[in-house]
Amino acid sequence: GEDVEQSLFLSVREGDSSVINCTYTDSSSTYLYWYKQEPGAGLQLLTYIFSNMDMKQDQRLTVLLNKKDKHLSLRIADTQTGDSAIYFCAEKKGGSYIPTFGRGTSLIVHP
Amino acid sequence: SAVISQKPSRDICQRGTSLTIQCQVDSQVTMMFWYRQQPGQSLTLIATANQGSEATYESGFVIDKFPISRPNLTFSTLTVSNMSPEDSSIYLCSVHTESSYNEQFFGPGTRLTVL
Repeated sequence: GEDVEQSLFLSVREGDSSVINCTYTDSSSTYLYWYKQEPGAGLQLLTYIFSNMDMKQDQRLTVLLNKKDKHLSLRIADTQTGDSAIYFCAEKKGGSYIPTFGRGTSLIVHP
Repeated sequence: SAVISQKPSRDICQRGTSLTIQCQVDSQVTMMFWYRQQPGQSLTLIATANQGSEATYESGFVIDKFPISRPNLTFSTLTVSNMSPEDSSIYLCSVHTESSYNEQFFGPGTRLTVL
């Protein structure tokens, strides 16, 4: 299987919360990231979490990390139409410059 | 942080031709990378562009098909040679900075369509 797995699509109603899930296989990962890619644009780092943390909150974004299950999630509160984009989960081992990316989850926000 | 620009932003090319994509960074960076993003797929690392020496290619990518230049610490080019429709993809330049969380910055990408 792939090293980093994500579901491909998520559809939510505007104002609801979105939860995007990711699983990874490498228990030695030290950095875990969420990137956002809007149509026609490159990837923008949204948030990150160190592997020794369980949770990180940044305004409307909440990242949860379950190290035992190697599961990472991104929760977007009060989802807006501007949040429609592809969200990539990525993990990186300490000492490596190169993260491993998932295939991306396409978030569609409808009125 | 690093601001990255790429040229061209998109192009439509004929089979058998070559296209050179430019990547410019607003500050000197040690590590520059080239990625390919095919529809519905993860980002795939093509190579690491090394300043003053040959690029380091990942498995499945070769210099003859994807020659890379890196003449200085702010600029790199990727050429897609002898193109076929299978090369249709988004090509992304990326740089690594030594921030507290080892952030990787990405350019806006070059959308290539090969007919």
